[in-house]
Amino acid sequence: QKEVEQNSGPLSVPEGAIASLNCTYSDRGSQSFFWYRQYSGKSPELIMFIYSNGDKEDGRFTAQLNKASQYVSLLIRDSQPSDSATYLCALDPTGGGNKLTFGTGTQLKVEL
Amino acid sequence: EAGVTQFPSHSVIEKGQTVTLRCDPISGHDNLYWYRRVMGKEIKFLLHFVKESKQDESGMPNNRFLAERTGGTYSTLKVQPAELEDSGVYFCASSQDDSYGYTFGSGTRLTVV
Repeated sequence: QKEVEQNSGPLSVPEGAIASLNCTYSDRGSQSFFWYRQYSGKSPELIMFIYSNGDKEDGRFTAQLNKASQYVSLLIRDSQPSDSATYLCALDPTGGGNKLTFGTGTQLKVEL
Repeated sequence: EAGVTQFPSHSVIEKGQTVTLRCDPISGHDNLYWYRRVMGKEIKFLLHFVKESKQDESGMPNNRFLAERTGGTYSTLKVQPAELEDSGVYFCASSQDDSYGYTFGSGTRLTVV
């Protein structure tokens, strides 16, 4: 079992819809969780981090964490074509943010 | 503020040769990380510097890889001798505070033929 599991996609959503990206993890002791966005051929870019159970909102993005069920999700409201990218889920089992374990990423396509 | 800079952006070398990758972190960032993504796989941690000290090098594949950060500024990652399986994209990242994620460089795409 991989430490961080993501559906590779592609996930296709129409413009203006809500995109829901999911990630499950195996280490129950993981403390901090991160979502990165990576455009093709570019570097990963941090979108959000979350430490506590529940929702965390930042603009059109909402991260959701459920430690009991060991999943973390990212919702993108009012999806735009510019949101088309690969979204990487990452976690740090130690909580310090020093050594991230990444999933393979989910490719999101926002269609006109 | 300048971002994390990596050089070269691409490198093609023959098996058995040596390659040195360079990373210039964001000024003032004490934490510097190296990661690698092999095609089709996830991004994997290689090592972590705090200033000039190696905090964690548990992800280094073997002793053909040598990372240095003299003076706590830029870092180099040398692969000697390179093998075919070393091909991939090598990312450098830096952070000021280790709790809030970090900024990645654009990566060096290494191809060993």
